[in-house]
Amino acid sequence: DTEVTQTPKHLVMGMTNKKSLKCEQHMGHRAMYWYKQKAKKPPELMFVYSYEKLSINESVPSRFSPECPNSSLLNLHLHALQPEDSALYLCASSQVSPADTQYFGPGTRLTVL
Amino acid sequence: KNEVEQSPQNLTAQEGEFITINCSYSVGISALHWLQQHPGGGIVSLFMLSSGKKKHGRLIATINIQEKHSSLHITASHPRDSAVYICAPNPQGAQKLVFGQGTRLTINP
Repeated sequence: DTEVTQTPKHLVMGMTNKKSLKCEQHMGHRAMYWYKQKAKKPPELMFVYSYEKLSINESVPSRFSPECPNSSLLNLHLHALQPEDSALYLCASSQVSPADTQYFGPGTRLTVL
Repeated sequence: KNEVEQSPQNLTAQEGEFITINCSYSVGISALHWLQQHPGGGIVSLFMLSSGKKKHGRLIATINIQEKHSSLHITASHPRDSAVYICAPNPQGAQKLVFGQGTRLTINP
């Protein structure tokens, strides 16, 4: 199984809502990533988890809150987002480090009204 | 100056043509990835290179570590190859990839 799954596929939320994005992999990977991608731009790294511990936060606003409950799951909790946060949110995993092949999920397309 | 420069930014070609996309980077790296993204979504990893050359079907990737340069070649291109191709090196000691701006490839029948 070389699949990374993400739910939901699409999400529309208001600026006062709280929602969560979910990412799951069962490849035994110990590194997991959240990326944000705007149209016609490359992905921007948001967070890296290594062995379930947050190892990189790329100065992401606190309205985005990551969580890694176990080695297979990665969540991204969203609260009080802004319209400019509308984007494709991609999750990825790799065996141990970013030098290893990264497997990407299909993404969650988020619209903030 | 960007750490990763890809060229060309856009490329349109006819079916069957040989395609080359170039990537130059400025820092020492542990590995370099070539990624493919079709319109509407998901990213697929094509190659991970730390030296030399790799081939998968009609795709070939090469890297010259001394010159800090990598190329992705597509032989006998096909309309289904139309996608954005992204070069993403992993700088030595860094727990992340650095992404190029991508090359938008369109193959016309």
